[in-house]
Amino acid sequence: NAGVTQTPKFQVLKTGQSMTLQCAQDMNHEYMSWYRQDPGMGLRLIHYSVGAGITDQGEVPNGYNVSRSTTEDFPLRLLSAAPSQTSVYFCASSYSSGGKETQYFGPGTRLLVL
Amino acid sequence: GENVEQHPSTLSVQEGDSAVIKCTYSDSASNYFPWYKQELGKGPQLIIDIRSNVGEKKDQRIAVTLNKTAKHFSLHITETQPEDSAVYFCAASSDYKLSFGAGTTVTVRA
Repeated sequence: NAGVTQTPKFQVLKTGQSMTLQCAQDMNHEYMSWYRQDPGMGLRLIHYSVGAGITDQGEVPNGYNVSRSTTEDFPLRLLSAAPSQTSVYFCASSYSSGGKETQYFGPGTRLLVL
Repeated sequence: GENVEQHPSTLSVQEGDSAVIKCTYSDSASNYFPWYKQELGKGPQLIIDIRSNVGEKKDQRIAVTLNKTAKHFSLHITETQPEDSAVYFCAASSDYKLSFGAGTTVTVRA
């Protein structure tokens, strides 16, 4: 199993540009989520999904969109990048039942918005 | 929503000594408390977790304690080694939405 994979590893954007951060998992996990990590603030939940076709907002959803058309993939879209979105983004996945909510994180995408 | 506070923000220990990190949470509905270790340039990795029906859990040199009444939980690392140097995060969850503490940078001095 590859676990949780994320692409790209690093990206530089100009203000106003759009892009999609990719996330995929091969563990057949129902639950997937996106976090951003900023210095001194831990990880904050952006959006999450409890299954294909179902998404919901987390703590800091503004400026981001998500969709979940398959169990495996959970892309994060920035429609109009802003410097405040400079951060490291982590995708995570887990089972959603039976007390197996341990979340497995991907390696992260480092995003710089100029 | 849930608010998790973590202390200290940095911790330097001599190799072989113990390290203790403490967290408090605000939502009494939280029932799952994982601890993650993050090495430079990598994603967080689960090292131990505890559920609300358990007061203490141990895995080799790592132990976690939970006091639900006081809403605090702690990570204990004994006999620290250089490879324990990393950033450690606590988290609390009641419905798979993890709320993280701000992290503790642990440095183990040789």
